[in-house]
Amino acid sequence: AQSVAQPEDQVNVAEGNPLTVKCTYSVSGNPYLFWYVQYPNRGLQFLLKYITGDNLVKGSYGFEAEFNKSQTSFHLKKPSALVSDSALYFCAVRVVFNAGKSTFGDGTTLTVKP
Amino acid sequence: DVKVTQSSRYLVKRTGEKVFLECVQDMDHENMFWYRQDPGLGLRLIYFSYDVKMKEKGDIPEGYSVSREKKERFSLILESASTNQTSMYLCASSFGLAANTGELFFGEGSRLTVL
Repeated sequence: AQSVAQPEDQVNVAEGNPLTVKCTYSVSGNPYLFWYVQYPNRGLQFLLKYITGDNLVKGSYGFEAEFNKSQTSFHLKKPSALVSDSALYFCAVRVVFNAGKSTFGDGTTLTVKP
Repeated sequence: DVKVTQSSRYLVKRTGEKVFLECVQDMDHENMFWYRQDPGLGLRLIYFSYDVKMKEKGDIPEGYSVSREKKERFSLILESASTNQTSMYLCASSFGLAANTGELFFGEGSRLTVL
């Protein structure tokens, strides 16, 4: 079975400071990893993904994430947070050859204060 | 841009009513999904479909059924709505190759309240 853990329900940062939203996963096989963002009363939007190759992946709105196989982690980062980054963030995992079975974490609410 | 459209953003229904949630995508995606989102529980997969007239149960299929008569349309049906089905329902689609690396594209969600 595959699973995703987002250990923090809430992350608070000041505008201009770096932010990290944590994600760890458990799968049998090689993982595909994704980050999505959700603004209030909206659907999820794709931010970035790790499939293979370089462990540091860059995505939309200045976000990046680092895949760490030994720690089974895929933390989302941004060097300088904006108030507009405040939203709900979801990490998701899928294994190769299983297009139908993405498993999502419970979500982390990011609040960036001016 | 890919567009996934859910027909109703907000619905209020009574216990025992039959409820239809409709989803249409315009990118010729093979895969379509229905998730349920509840606070603190993340997204849970109800059903998905990888082709017309094909469907597979997700993690929480009880109390739901689905229909996919056309490639672009995937419907979620609550045969007899209950209060514990009050939730946000999210439709998503993706390309269908078995090894596809693509992300999911989501609709805006349908918030269902069952009284």
